[in-house]
Amino acid sequence: ELVMTQSPATLSVSPGERATLSCRASQSVNDKVAWYQVRPGQAPRLLLYGVSIRATGIPDRFSGRGSGTEFTLTISSLQSEDFAVYYCHHYTNWPQVFGQGTRVEIK
Amino acid sequence: QVQLVQSGTEVKKPGDSVKISCKASGYTFKIFDIYWVRQAPGQGLEWMGWMNPNTGSTGYAQKFQGRASMTRDKSLNTAYLEVSGLKSDDTAVYYCARGESPSSPYDYWGQGTLVTVSS
Repeated sequence: ELVMTQSPATLSVSPGERATLSCRASQSVNDKVAWYQVRPGQAPRLLLYGVSIRATGIPDRFSGRGSGTEFTLTISSLQSEDFAVYYCHHYTNWPQVFGQGTRVEIK
Repeated sequence: QVQLVQSGTEVKKPGDSVKISCKASGYTFKIFDIYWVRQAPGQGLEWMGWMNPNTGSTGYAQKFQGRASMTRDKSLNTAYLEVSGLKSDDTAVYYCARGESPSSPYDYWGQGTLVTVSS
């Protein structure tokens, strides 16, 4: 069964700095990789899909790249509203699977 | 605008069942698949399963096979998740979400339903 492993578990970043989050698949996957942001008390929000396509309304400081087993989400200049938990998601394997999440916290 | 509105907080005892609703509006209900995902306290997102609202076809993560049931009422544009044999570790926020197809990301999510299982 596919496993998506995210690292690090927690990332401490100062506002305005860059954050790079990783997601590793246990086997090579296609480009059906998405990233979601979860703020406390809120529902998940789709950020990116197809590895690098920004969802509607997502600012361009969020970018994604990767292929095969390695995928990354980069936030180029962290804003206060970006401190949250981020999950990667492979959405064609069966069963579908999420990574365990990376918490981005204020340094 | 697209909305998925879920039913309210539930408090259940071990062994009980719970049925959560997810009412869709702002789009044609039968066109988009419905997914259920849960998040236990302090834990990550856990995929539970999928339903095609048009056909009623479903698929479940192995962990929930036989214990979760996803249904819909097309006349009400509403999807349901029922979980039976509740245990304390079923305490979680349960989300519905929609995807255009089985190979689509989840672009809209419900607000979540907290289910607490406690004796």
